[in-house]
Amino acid sequence: DARVTQTPRHKVTEMGQEVTMRCQPILGHNTVFWYRQTMMQGLELLAYFRNRAPLDDSGMPKDRFSAEMPDATLATLKIQPSEPRDSAVYFCASGFTPVRLFFGEGSRLTVL
Amino acid sequence: ELKVEQNPLFLSMQEGKNYTIYCNYSTTSDRLYWYRQDPGKSLESLFVLLSNGAVKQEGRLMASLDTKARLSTLHITAAVHDLSATYFCAVHPTNAGGTSYGKLTFGQGTILTVHP
Repeated sequence: DARVTQTPRHKVTEMGQEVTMRCQPILGHNTVFWYRQTMMQGLELLAYFRNRAPLDDSGMPKDRFSAEMPDATLATLKIQPSEPRDSAVYFCASGFTPVRLFFGEGSRLTVL
Repeated sequence: ELKVEQNPLFLSMQEGKNYTIYCNYSTTSDRLYWYRQDPGKSLESLFVLLSNGAVKQEGRLMASLDTKARLSTLHITAAVHDLSATYFCAVHPTNAGGTSYGKLTFGQGTILTVHP
């Protein structure tokens, strides 16, 4: 059963530390999205890639966040340095745009 | 900037009743998605609506799309407790040339609670 795999599922870290979240999209999918979900802001699009090329990262705080796809099987989202306001659930999703996206289970980040 | 608005944001229903969730969006699009999220879980795709007038049904849920009104509806028939969840609509904008480009924007979500 194909699925989007995210690691870590949970991460607790201290302010100022670097955090890296990883996503393995479903094999063959050409589009990868990163979303952040909080109670206050809902689901915010941070970045997305098509055929590994970044298409839009305008939703991402550029000074501390970076997103990459080093190869077709791995997408990464890095925060450096992390801040308490970054605490959220980060979802990765993959698909064939514009057909439906499949979401991973999410990475729950807590920054103390 | 594309805005996607759902209403209501909170919906408390009795089992057996019918209700509709509305999703309005602010720019041209002919592709709309409905997702379900259970507490603490991921998002599960429910429906993909790819053209004006599209209607999809699965069990007690039926979704429709009116691209001229920029409106989608998710209709719940004879609600049961298992339908309690948060429901999101999401929209891909379409540019002037009719090409859908990938920036999928979500509504705020509708928290549905079905009680006896």
